[in-house]
Parts: sequence; C-alpha cells; structure tokens
Amino acid sequence: GENVEQHPSTLSVQEGDSAVIKCTYSDSASNYFPWYKQELGKRPQLIIDIRSNVGEKKDQRIAVTLNKTAKHFSLHITETQPEDSAVYFCAAIRGNQFYFGTGTSLTVIP
Amino acid sequence: KAGVTQTPRYLIKTRGQQVTLSCSPISGHRSVSWYQQTPGQGLQFLFEYFSETQRNKGNFPGRFSGRQFSNSRSEMNVSTLELGDSALYLCASSFTPNEQFFGPGTRLTVL
Repeated sequence: GENVEQHPSTLSVQEGDSAVIKCTYSDSASNYFPWYKQELGKRPQLIIDIRSNVGEKKDQRIAVTLNKTAKHFSLHITETQPEDSAVYFCAAIRGNQFYFGTGTSLTVIP
Repeated sequence: KAGVTQTPRYLIKTRGQQVTLSCSPISGHRSVSWYQQTPGQGLQFLFEYFSETQRNKGNFPGRFSGRQFSNSRSEMNVSTLELGDSALYLCASSFTPNEQFFGPGTRLTVL
C-alpha cells in the first residue's frame, strides 16, 4: 500500500517568517494530494490540494508544490501569523483511499 | 448543508468493555471513513464504507469493526477495549474521492 512520510513533526517559526512542511509518498499511482489543517480541539479541514498533473498551486499565503518524479510534495506558508498555529496533515490519495502523514505541529511565535 | 456529526462526543469505558460510535455524514455523501487519532501517530485509517459495503480497511485488529446503513450513517464498534484504544476517533464523509469532510470526533478514554 501507500506510505506517506511527513517532516518535520514539529516546527516553530517567528511571525512573518515562512514555514515549509514536506511529505513523501511511495506509490506512483497516487494522484491527488490534499493538505489539512487541524486547530487545537477542532476537526481537520482542507486548506489546499494539488493533482498529479500540476506542479504548483497557490492560494494567498499558502502554496503547494509537487515533484512526481521524486514523489514528494510540500506545503509553503509565507508571512506566517499566529492563527497559522495548528497541526498540518498531508495526504496522498490512490483511487478512493486516503493515506495521511503523521502531522506537523506548527507554532508561530508572535 | 449540515456538517458531519458524531455521537457521543466523549466516552469513558473500562478495559474489556465494548463501545459503539456513530457517524452521520453530510447529506448525499455515500462514503464514510473512520480514523483513529493519537498524539504522534497522526490519522490512522481504520476503514471506509461506501453504499453499505466496506471498501477499504486499514491495519487494525479484528476488535475494530464497522458498518454502514442504507441512509449512509455509519457505526464503528470496538470490542474488548484495551488501554491503547484511548484516542480521538474521527469519521469523514465524501461525495467524490477528493475532499473529505471530518466530524468533530469522539474522544474515547479507556480506564
């Protein structure tokens, strides 16, 4: 089956700096890569996604890049704000099954 | 549309007991997935149901089981509870194999 690895597990940045979270996957058949944000005590929510036929996607301060050859994808958050503090999960979807990474706890220090 | 709901929100059980958790998906969503979330382990996939059939299954022991009803509502059951089963159990529904919409979760504590 698919194996998704996510790094780092924890990340602290100063407000205004950028944050990068990286994920790798093993199955070349995976073709959809969403990112979820889970704030403390809340449910995970989709923040951005990318399909295998696209190399980069941007939505305001967040962007995701995908390298199909290397089987890795990354989440980039620029100009971080305290409200970006949360756990972020990457996922790879093969067919109709989701495979999640282990999560990255991001803390933005004011 | 109403979001995904889960009941109960909190549950305390003792070792050896069994528990049933319920999930009501968003109207029109036929796929329901269940996840176990523990600190440091992320979202571990339990199983997915689609049109009352288990379509995918994760690597959990047979003590974990589930089912889906004709109205797409789903239940998961854990028998012979162990201390390590303490976790947040999340269900998620989807209309297509794309975005999953998560419920608020059921916090299970096993004493």
